[in-house]
Formats: sequence, C-alpha cells, structure tokens
Amino acid sequence: AQKVTQAQTEISVVEKEDVTLDCVYETRDTTYYLFWYKQPPSGELVFLIRRNSFDEQNEISGRYSWNFQKSTSSFNFTITASQVVDSAVYFCALSEDSGNTPLVFGKGTRLSVIA
Amino acid sequence: GAGVSQTPSNKVTEKGKYVELRCDPISGHTALYWYRQSLGQGPEFLIYFQGTGAADDSGLPNDRFFAVRPEGSVSTLKIQRTERGDSAVYLCASSTNLNTGELFFGEGSRLTVL
Repeated sequence: AQKVTQAQTEISVVEKEDVTLDCVYETRDTTYYLFWYKQPPSGELVFLIRRNSFDEQNEISGRYSWNFQKSTSSFNFTITASQVVDSAVYFCALSEDSGNTPLVFGKGTRLSVIA
Repeated sequence: GAGVSQTPSNKVTEKGKYVELRCDPISGHTALYWYRQSLGQGPEFLIYFQGTGAADDSGLPNDRFFAVRPEGSVSTLKIQRTERGDSAVYLCASSTNLNTGELFFGEGSRLTVL
C-alpha cells in the first residue's frame, strides 16, 4: 500500500532563513510519481512539482528546490531565503501510476515565516 | 471564472439532513476528483470521474455518499443522513486527460454537521 509521511507538523523560521520540508514515501510499485502542493490560507491547493520515479535529478525553480533520493524513499523540499508569502501548509503526495490515479497525500507541514 | 468553483463555500447542517455540494471544473478538463480534508490532515481521496463516469469510487466511506457528473462537467457530491463525523472541507479538483498529475483545486466547501 502507498503511504506518505511528513514527520514535521509545524515549522517556524525567520524570514530569509532556508528551510527544508521532509517527505518519506512507501510504495511497492517501481513506477510512481511524487508531488508537492502548497495550501495557502485561502484553502486552494496549488501544484508545485511532479517527479517520476525514474528521474532522480534534483530540480531547482527559483527559491525552491527538490531532492529526490530513491535509496531513502525521500522527496524533500527546500525553500531558500524564505519569505512571509511562503507561509502555508505544504503537502507531499504520491501516485502509483501516472496522473489520473488518485493522489495519496501526507498530513502536511505548516510553515510559518516570521518577518 | 478560470478556476475550479465550489459552492457553497460554507454549509452548516443538522445531523440527519441531506446535503449537496457542487463543483464546477475548469472548462475542458475531463477528469474531476473529490477529496475530503479534515482538520490537520491531508486531503483524502473520495471519488474520481473521467468524463461522465466514475472511474474510481473506492474512497467513498459508505453508501451515504454519492456523486454524479451527468454531463461530464459540473459534479455534485451528495451526502445523505449526515453525521457529525462528516464535518470537513470537501475539495474538488480537475485536470486534463494528459496524465500530468497536476490537479487544479477549488477552495473547498466547508461542511459542519451539528
């Protein structure tokens, strides 16, 4: 069965600090997809990234970067030079097939960035 | 609007009542999903439509929950004989059929059962 664990329930940082959100997943499939979504106070989840199980290259997008390590079943998310607007709940998710199969979400990590 | 629209945004009802929650997906998106999010938890899958048919309803908790999408666009989630444990935010998402996994979510309907 598939499972996503986000051990950090809440994190608080001061603006401009770097922060890493951890995600550990479990799956029996060799083909799977990993995702990160952001949920700001408005409640609407926003897609950040999708990564397939065959691509372990790290990805950087502006201040965001993702580290995918199959050896440890982890897909961690780092925000560099955090800003107040980064405050949100962040969810890691897993799909054991391509896109249209249901995503399984972790419980989320609430990030608070203090000015 | 351009995004996924959900109505009502808030619904308060009494135990035992019937409730309908509506989702209007992004135009042209063939896939539509319903998730439920309880306080402090991640979204939990309920049901997924591809066009008019339910492709996967394995997440519906029991037979009090039902969803339809008769014309392949708007979907309605129906909850009969509501219970206090049904209180949650019900999220709708849509996507194209391109298997990208990128879901576009609405802001949710917060259901409170007293």
